[in-house]
Amino acid sequence: NAGVTQTPKFQVLKTGQSMTLQCAQDMNHEYMSWYRQDPGMGLRLIHYSVGAGITDQGEVPNGYNVSRSTTEDFPLRLLSAAPSQTSVYFCASSYSGGQGVGSPLHFGNGTRLTVT
Amino acid sequence: KNEVEQSPQNLTAQEGEFITINCSYSVGISALHWLQQHPGGGIVSLFMLSSGKKKHGRLIATINIQEKHSSLHITASHPRDSAVYICAVSMGTGNQFYFGTGTSLTVIP
Repeated sequence: NAGVTQTPKFQVLKTGQSMTLQCAQDMNHEYMSWYRQDPGMGLRLIHYSVGAGITDQGEVPNGYNVSRSTTEDFPLRLLSAAPSQTSVYFCASSYSGGQGVGSPLHFGNGTRLTVT
Repeated sequence: KNEVEQSPQNLTAQEGEFITINCSYSVGISALHWLQQHPGGGIVSLFMLSSGKKKHGRLIATINIQEKHSSLHITASHPRDSAVYICAVSMGTGNQFYFGTGTSLTVIP
């Protein structure tokens, strides 16, 4: 049981390049989400999904795309990277989002992205 | 605006001290989470609660729904407790989470 697997751990991009951050979970969680963590700010929700085929925007969705074709995978795409997207990105999953008792968030180990 | 406010931002304690970290939120919530982020960066969930109190080992989390306030207590603190502790809330349908900026705790031997 690997939990939430996030790749890559580190990435450097030039402005305008595109890339995909991968996130996979093997816990059969319905809810998956992407966050960015910037100094002095709390984690901010980029996009989330409550099941295969269903995605929605969070607090800071601009510049990012997601899709959820399977329960296990929830990739985050940067179509044209900008320096403002330099951040640490975390993927997280849980059984039912924030609802109900006993549905804690499980986080991946993070991706440190630098855009030059 | 910050839906979630944590205090203090930074905390240094001597080993063995009792520690309290506070979290206040401004709107109705589905649940409140306490998370721990170690220097390596990984984030683990400590507690999820919607009422009352939960205890796990030396950690205790409480929530007062009427006052929109939660506390995380660490009894008999140890240097391995040194980490950033993050409060998060889920609101409405519970699918959107809002996070505090974290409390950086250092426990000195």
